[in-house]
Amino acid sequence: QVQLVQSGAEVKKPGASVKVSCKASEYTFTGHYMYWVRQAPGLGLELMGWINPNNGDTNYAQNFQGRVTMTRDTSISTAYMELSRLRSDDTAVYFCARDRGYYYVSGDMDVWGQGTTVTVSS
Amino acid sequence: SSELTQDPAVSVALGQTVRITCQGDSLRGYYASWYQQKPGQAPLLVIYDEKNRPSGIPDRFSGSSSGNTASLTITGAQADDEADYYCNSRDSSGHPPIWVFGGGTKLTVL
Repeated sequence: QVQLVQSGAEVKKPGASVKVSCKASEYTFTGHYMYWVRQAPGLGLELMGWINPNNGDTNYAQNFQGRVTMTRDTSISTAYMELSRLRSDDTAVYFCARDRGYYYVSGDMDVWGQGTTVTVSS
Repeated sequence: SSELTQDPAVSVALGQTVRITCQGDSLRGYYASWYQQKPGQAPLLVIYDEKNRPSGIPDRFSGSSSGNTASLTITGAQADDEADYYCNSRDSSGHPPIWVFGGGTKLTVL
């Protein structure tokens, strides 16, 4: 079945970087935009940005510009999200999510990864 | 950037109807989608393009919109519907497009 499988939990020190992967299966990876969404403990969902796996185009939410980089490797149907200069308030669960549209962007996230917990602590 | 405002918490008696709302200027021009999230789980898309249900979503979930307000209605709420609900819509202020989530509504089924 269509699924997104994310990499495992990470513990990082303030100032470090983290890179989370999201492997897609059972669908055409290049046909669907991929989003990254995070959720801090007890708080709501926050969209970090998206990548178009077909051509690598990205767009990042203003809160993350300059610190986040989204990439993909089409040969292994995997998207990546790297967040740098980590702070304690970056402690959160990070989700990847697929856009519902096929070769167009709909804004609707119809398949989600299981989430990756990133803990930032000294 | 645009903001979407939701009531933090709503409750409904078992089997009754509840409406969860989402307000924002961007909703005058863009459709809302709705997500259900249960503790420890990833969100689940329950409504897209204002009123469409993905395959597998029960028909007790419906969506509507008027002016700057989008609504998710659950008709005949079940215990399993107890969850957090988030609206989402395109931010009207930019290109390339970016989307924003509302703050979420915690639904309690009594």
